[in-house]
Amino acid sequence: AQTVTQSQPEMSVQEAETVTLSCTYDTSENNYYLFWYKQPPSRQMILVIRQEAYKQQNATENRFSVNFQKAAKSFSLKISDSQLGDTAMYFCAFMKHRQGGSEKLVFGKGTKLTVNP
Amino acid sequence: KAGVTQTPRYLIKTRGQQVTLSCSPISGHRSVSWYQQTPGQGLQFLFEYFSETQRNKGNFPGRFSGRQFSNSRSEMNVSTLELGDSALYLCASSLGPTSEDEQFFGPGTRLTVL
Repeated sequence: AQTVTQSQPEMSVQEAETVTLSCTYDTSENNYYLFWYKQPPSRQMILVIRQEAYKQQNATENRFSVNFQKAAKSFSLKISDSQLGDTAMYFCAFMKHRQGGSEKLVFGKGTKLTVNP
Repeated sequence: KAGVTQTPRYLIKTRGQQVTLSCSPISGHRSVSWYQQTPGQGLQFLFEYFSETQRNKGNFPGRFSGRQFSNSRSEMNVSTLELGDSALYLCASSLGPTSEDEQFFGPGTRLTVL
């Protein structure tokens, strides 16, 4: 079974600064997807960024980027130029790849990020 | 395009009762997944439906069941409610049933069992 571990229950950062959220996972699969989801206080979960395990290049989405280390099974999220709207719970998630089918998302426990003015 | 909608948003029930939660996916999406979110256990997968068929099921007791209708709307049912069933129930929809399809989450239904 796959597991996802987020070792930082809470973090805080000053507005405009950079913060990195950690995530490690355990799997014997070779082909899979990794995700970072954001859940603001309103509770609507949204996808921040997605990484396919077969891609060596780290995914980026504007101010959000990941550091994907497949051998180390590490998948950290870097938020640059933090904004007040980035305040939220951040969940790291794993999904096995299944040809022609789908698998469930396996989530970490989350990191509560607070951006201070 | 409207997002995933879930009804009701809040629900209070007592132990032993049963409850039905509803999820309407994004128009054109045919796959619906359900997750339970609690402070202790975090986010856990309940089940996934595609074309009215359950394709995946998580490790939950048989009291938790679901179904999907021909219009892709989905319902989940919890019978004989227990205090531990208090949680935020999230529904996610995707275009299809493959790993490549992004899941879009609804706002959730907050269930409180007294």
